[in-house]
Amino acid sequence: AQSVAQPEDQVNVAEGNPLTVKCTYSVSGNPYLFWYVQYPNRGLQFLLKYITGDNLVKGSYGFEAEFNKSQTSFHLKKPSALVSDSALYFCAVRDILTGGGNKLTFGTGTQLKVEL
Amino acid sequence: GAGVSQSPSNKVTEKGKDVELRCDPISGHTALYWYRQSLGQGLEFLIYFQGNSAPDKSGLPSDRFSAERTGGSVSTLTIQRTQQEDSAVYLCASSSPRGSGPNTEAFFGQGTRLTVV
Repeated sequence: AQSVAQPEDQVNVAEGNPLTVKCTYSVSGNPYLFWYVQYPNRGLQFLLKYITGDNLVKGSYGFEAEFNKSQTSFHLKKPSALVSDSALYFCAVRDILTGGGNKLTFGTGTQLKVEL
Repeated sequence: GAGVSQSPSNKVTEKGKDVELRCDPISGHTALYWYRQSLGQGLEFLIYFQGNSAPDKSGLPSDRFSAERTGGSVSTLTIQRTQQEDSAVYLCASSSPRGSGPNTEAFFGQGTRLTVV
């Protein structure tokens, strides 16, 4: 079975500082990994994904994420946080070898709060 | 349409009544998901449809919940004899245009906020 863990319910960071939102995963085969963001009273928006190739992937709004196979992690990062980045962030995984098609499993979410 | 459309956007119902939630996925997407998000909580997987394959119903919390997808397009999530603990935002997503693999991201609708009183 595939699973995702987001160990931090909330992350607080000062504007201008770098931010990291952590994600670890468990799959039987090779993972496809995704990050989504949810602003208050809005639907989920896709940020970025790792499929293959370079371990560092870049996405929307200046976010990037680093795939680390040995640590089974896919942490979300941004060099300089903005107050407008404050939102709920979800990591998701799809195991391409389960034979279960494209089932997408989400973590429990991390609330990011960026303060002045 | 351009995106995933869900209706209604809000639904208030009395305990014990049945409700139907509708999802119109992006045209051509073969995969369709239903998730539930309770206040301040993460995403709880409910059910997943992939093409003509049998749906993965492993996330449905009870036999009061059911879903169907007609003609490989529109999906309806039905909750029978609603209970107060069913109150949540129900999110639908679609992915995987025909001919694509599992590397495509899912696109979400705005959700249906269900309140059972």
